[in-house]
Amino acid sequence: GAVVSQHPSRVICKSGTSVKIECRSLDFQATTMFWYRQFPKKSLMLMATSNEGSKATYEQGVEKDKFLINHASLTLSTLTVTSAHPEDSSFYICSARDPRTGYTGELFFGEGSRLTVL
Amino acid sequence: AQKVTQAQTEISVVEKEDVTLDCVYETRDTTYYLFWYKQPPSGELVFLIRRNSFDEQNEISGRYSWNFQKSTSSFNFTITASQVVDSAVYFCALGAQKLVFGQGTRLTINP
Repeated sequence: GAVVSQHPSRVICKSGTSVKIECRSLDFQATTMFWYRQFPKKSLMLMATSNEGSKATYEQGVEKDKFLINHASLTLSTLTVTSAHPEDSSFYICSARDPRTGYTGELFFGEGSRLTVL
Repeated sequence: AQKVTQAQTEISVVEKEDVTLDCVYETRDTTYYLFWYKQPPSGELVFLIRRNSFDEQNEISGRYSWNFQKSTSSFNFTITASQVVDSAVYFCALGAQKLVFGQGTRLTINP
């Protein structure tokens, strides 16, 4: 079945550095991908909608300059956390739907990427 | 605005007991989808079920069953004869492409 994969699964970085997380759809083309953030023992919050070939759509309260999203191809979306700080430490999860299944198809989630900023 | 409420933060039961996880939602949409996901300690989200707003039939899949009632805006999830491997955080979600998640219920099945 369709699979969405994220890389890296875990990343530790120093405060002030930038970190890139990749989300790939492995056997389907996704014109739209979604990025969620999950704080420890909390729910998932939608951060932004990644659109292939155009700008991402950010949810209210999400800093566009802090969380850069690029959807350069139909199988890859990237989330870059710029100038990361300890409060950016979180679990980031992407999702995508196989367009061949239509609007009602199953939404697949990546394995998640755990970011720890020291 | 859409909202999902999972009032049970944590549930702990002994193995083989039945357990029901509650989910109540709010939406003004006439067409919508409801989901349940399981999140084991490893972190990935495991899809369990998707139900559209026009289908109120209850569903059973092995030890899992779901009760969708539009009249009460609820979509409850029951695990029958629970097992230790069922221990995880379970999320109820609402939407189509962009999902709104409930707060999650941490289920612990004790041997």
